[in-house]
Amino acid sequence: NAGVTQTPKFQVLKTGQSMTLQCAQDMNHEYMSWYRQDPGMGLRLIHYSVGAGITDQGEVPNGYNVSRSTTEDFPLRLLSAAPSQTSVYFCASSSSFGKLNTEAFFGQGTRLTVV
Amino acid sequence: GNSVTQMEGPVTLSEEAFLTINCTYTATGYPSLFWYVQYPGEGLQLLLKATKADDKGSNKGFEATYRKETTSFHLEKGSVQVSDSAVYFCALQAGTALIFGKGTTLSVSS
Repeated sequence: NAGVTQTPKFQVLKTGQSMTLQCAQDMNHEYMSWYRQDPGMGLRLIHYSVGAGITDQGEVPNGYNVSRSTTEDFPLRLLSAAPSQTSVYFCASSSSFGKLNTEAFFGQGTRLTVV
Repeated sequence: GNSVTQMEGPVTLSEEAFLTINCTYTATGYPSLFWYVQYPGEGLQLLLKATKADDKGSNKGFEATYRKETTSFHLEKGSVQVSDSAVYFCALQAGTALIFGKGTTLSVSS
């Protein structure tokens, strides 16, 4: 029972490089989202998706792109990495968009360092 | 707007001590409230939840009561264990996303 799978677990990038953080879930969840976790800041929402083909911005979307071509996958793209994007990134999914009392399932995170 | 404020840590306790982690919220409407826990090196996992005023969520000996009059959802446990050492996040759901507090680190020593 895989749940939410994120790859890679660790990544070091040079400033200006691009990369994609992968997220896949096998629970047929409609709703998926990306958060970043920084010391003293908690988790902040980057982008989210309420279904295949539908995405929207969260609290801190600048510097990140997303797409949702399938229900299972929700990749996060950094087009030109900056040191300010050094963080731990979490992908989450849940079964029902907008419904209260819905548990979110999180991946184990990707620790990204931009030098 | 919607926001969550929780007490800053770290909280350091001895085994079997009583735990309280304070959480207050600001929200329009009637949000659902959650506590999530993050063990070292892992993602977040749901600890407990409450969906309406006066509801009490409970799990693994932890409890929290949804207090609308004080806009609070404090986490409590009567006797903590070393295995409870983790980061605890209070969160609310009001619409499209979960909104998290900054997290409180709990360290329990034997």
